[in-house]
Amino acid sequence: EIVLTQSPGTLSLSPGERATLSCRASQSVSSTYLAWYQQKPGQAPRLLIYGPSSRATGIPDRFSGSGSGTDFTLTISRLEPEDFAMYYCQHYDTSSLTFGGGTKVEIK
Amino acid sequence: QLQLQESGPGLVKPSETLSLTCTVSGGPISSNSYFWGWIRQPPGKGLEWIGNIYYTGTTYYNPSLESRVTISIDTSKNQFSLKLSSVTAADTAVYYCGRRTYYYETGGYYFDYWGQGTLVTVSS
Repeated sequence: EIVLTQSPGTLSLSPGERATLSCRASQSVSSTYLAWYQQKPGQAPRLLIYGPSSRATGIPDRFSGSGSGTDFTLTISRLEPEDFAMYYCQHYDTSSLTFGGGTKVEIK
Repeated sequence: QLQLQESGPGLVKPSETLSLTCTVSGGPISSNSYFWGWIRQPPGKGLEWIGNIYYTGTTYYNPSLESRVTISIDTSKNQFSLKLSSVTAADTAVYYCGRRTYYYETGGYYFDYWGQGTLVTVSS
């Protein structure tokens, strides 16, 4: 079973700053099946990035994804007030699906 | 606009079976481009995948829950359902249903629509 480890657990930044979130897989995975979701309190997750660098519909271009093998990154180039939230990476294969533990991006 | 709505009891007693239904509106549940899935989130914790179902009835379950989980689909009602047996307090969570769509440009499936979630508490 693939384990996804996200770091840091919490990222304290100010609006306008750059956020870099990491997702590390316990073994090499296909980047096609890697995605990132944003979740705000009391809301369902929202698809941000998939495959691992394509933006979902309506996602602004300040969000970008990259990576391959075991290391993947979500970057928010300039944080807007609405970007402070939880972020989860997710991977699937033919029979299972796994979420990382999440990174909270909070206002410093 | 596609909408998914979870429904079912908000309180279940320990050792009983949790039953939830997801009603899909605004689009067909019978399509070879979609999987339909259940995900849960214990209060203050992260997301856990429970399982997926294809419109043909083919299912995939989280190995850690497989012995207790059954997901079924009713295409005539545009609904799919979750049953989780022998529940304990550890099964208390917000339960989400979602649609996994096939994205041709990458060749992968991703959750692009989610229900609002329903809190299920396991308590006597």
